[in-house]
Amino acid sequence: DQQVKQNSPSLSVQEGRISILNCDYTNSMFDYFLWYKKYPAEGPTFLISISSIKDKNEDGRFTVFLNKSAKHLSLHIVPSQPGDSAVYFCAASLGGGAGSYQLTFGKGTKLSVIP
Amino acid sequence: NAGVTQTPKFQVLKTGQSMTLQCAQDMNHNSMYWYRQDPGMGLRLIYYSASEGTTDKGEVPNGYNVSRLNKREFSLRLESAAPSQTSVYFCASKVTGSTEAFFGQGTRLTVV
Repeated sequence: DQQVKQNSPSLSVQEGRISILNCDYTNSMFDYFLWYKKYPAEGPTFLISISSIKDKNEDGRFTVFLNKSAKHLSLHIVPSQPGDSAVYFCAASLGGGAGSYQLTFGKGTKLSVIP
Repeated sequence: NAGVTQTPKFQVLKTGQSMTLQCAQDMNHNSMYWYRQDPGMGLRLIYYSASEGTTDKGEVPNGYNVSRLNKREFSLRLESAAPSQTSVYFCASKVTGSTEAFFGQGTRLTVV
């Protein structure tokens, strides 16, 4: 029973446009959410995070929005660049805040940015 | 700046064989983790070590054992490999209390 769901396995976006990656969760006790980016044959790298007490966090071209009532978060990339082409994983922690030892990951969304 | 180093990068085992996946980090992190990633799946936590001398089970620990040898090293052992353990294994580490975990490049294991 998946607690973190990324329902779009793939997404294609034109270079320069906005990429929106979505993530839904079922456990209302999750208190911290993270996005990781993964290139082929490499390990995931941390991208951006948000606490459940916030509804938005921005870092350069990347913004994460959290809608707690809908149990939904999204990652916006503006403008999208070809180097952003990767698999993006949404993850959530249960208790313990940012220092939680256990993360629950979604299945990932493969983003392709077309030049 | 090695970060998190995993060895080997690739391995093929026969059913029933044993092996140990090695992981070392040079960032002085307290917490270390082992995840597996299967096709079309997210990463699932196998075991973790909150600090040197402690280990705990994650979501999918069956068939695995771990050892936190020292602060730098955290190994994952398959005592009797099964085809269901064919996967990509990732080791990660982080500072206790922080958000960001750093991952190794992964070990692609095939059990035939």
